[in-house]
Amino acid sequence: SYELTQPPSVSVSPGQTARITCSGDALPKQYAYWYQQKPGQAPVLVIYKDSERPSGIPERFSGSSSGTTVTLTISGVQAEDEADYYCQSADSSGTYHWVFGGGTKLTVL
Amino acid sequence: EVQLVESGGGLVQPGGSLRLSCAASGFTFSSYSMNWVRQAPGKGLEWVSYISSSSSTIYYADSVKGRFTISRDNAKNSLYLQMNSLRAEDTAVYYCARQGSVYYYGMDVWGQGTTVTVSS
Repeated sequence: SYELTQPPSVSVSPGQTARITCSGDALPKQYAYWYQQKPGQAPVLVIYKDSERPSGIPERFSGSSSGTTVTLTISGVQAEDEADYYCQSADSSGTYHWVFGGGTKLTVL
Repeated sequence: EVQLVESGGGLVQPGGSLRLSCAASGFTFSSYSMNWVRQAPGKGLEWVSYISSSSSTIYYADSVKGRFTISRDNAKNSLYLQMNSLRAEDTAVYYCARQGSVYYYGMDVWGQGTTVTVSS
């Protein structure tokens, strides 16, 4: 079955830049999405269509794509950004056969 | 306010059945595709099922295919997940999530989740 691979954890100090990667063979052909999830809360969409930001999401969140890897970048990390982050994309079966990455715990030191 | 509210979770024995509901409000439910996504305790997100706005297209994850059935009632602004032959590994928080109006918008609205526990 199709898999999206994320690092289990990323740590940064406040004000620094955090980069979270997500790798998958189908990513050159399928859009990627990123979700933020804080403890006890539902996920929130922070990036869609590889690099687009929904309204209400701070500009410090950005996304990029290169080959089989997509990257979520958080510039000027704030304490409130500490959360789990999940990438999502579609597998080769079709657009709505969704797959999530394993998640990355972002720790703000 | 755009809102999704799940209900129907609970404790069920292995092999049992449960029906989850998701009530939508604040938007034209009949215009949007919907998803169910689950999260096992301490684990990551797992997509479960997708249904198009008219119910004409339905997809399932391999892990639930043949056991779970997604459906919707646009007149009642409601989404459902019928879960049969439940297993311990189906224990999770189940979220309903709206698919953006264009497919590449992602899952832009989520409910707060309902907890399903499969245990004897």
